Amino acid sequence: GQQVMQIPQYQHVQEGEDFTTYCNSSTTLSNIQWYKQRPGGHPVFLIQLVKSGEVKKQKRLTFQFGEAKKNSSLHITATQTTDVGTYFCAGGVDNNNDMRFGAGTRLTVKP
Amino acid sequence: NAGVTQTPKFRVLKTGQSMTLLCAQDMNHEYMYWYRQDPGMGLRLIHYSVGEGTTAKGEVPDGYNVSRLKKQNFLLGLESAAPSQTSVYFCASSYFRYNEQFFGPGTRLTVL
Repeated sequence: GQQVMQIPQYQHVQEGEDFTTYCNSSTTLSNIQWYKQRPGGHPVFLIQLVKSGEVKKQKRLTFQFGEAKKNSSLHITATQTTDVGTYFCAGGVDNNNDMRFGAGTRLTVKP
Repeated sequence: NAGVTQTPKFRVLKTGQSMTLLCAQDMNHEYMYWYRQDPGMGLRLIHYSVGEGTTAKGEVPDGYNVSRLKKQNFLLGLESAAPSQTSVYFCASSYFRYNEQFFGPGTRLTVL
């Protein structure tokens, strides 16, 4: 079945450093979504990518969807303590009705 | 709008007991989902519904049942709780298949 792998599992950075998390699928995805979950909170939608090679930016966050639509990345420039949390990707496949989530990357930021 | 709400927020069960988790959404969404979240495992889909009166199995459906009798409500039942079902349970809803999912605050369940 469809699997979505996410790396790294954990990332600890100094405030001001950059951060990247990667998402890989065993099958071609129709779309990919990214969510952020603050400690003790619930996942909150960040963005959706649909097109091959698509790149979207939200302030310091840059999201990419691979050309083959099998991988994606989230890059945060100059991390801040407010970026702390777990970042999840979720991929959709055309013949499924559900999105499959990666295991998440937990980001901690040292001030 | 309240968005997605879940009751209860916390629950402790003994092995073999049963319970029902309630999820409600006021956004007129068609799709609703139940996930469980365990450390290092991310969000795993238990069951989902694509509309009132419909349900379907997700990745980890064993030991759970669901019902969607009303469009705004999605119930998750545990008939005979086991310690392996200790987890945080999230409900989510979306307008349609690949739309943004809105998550509830979660239910922390402990089975002793």
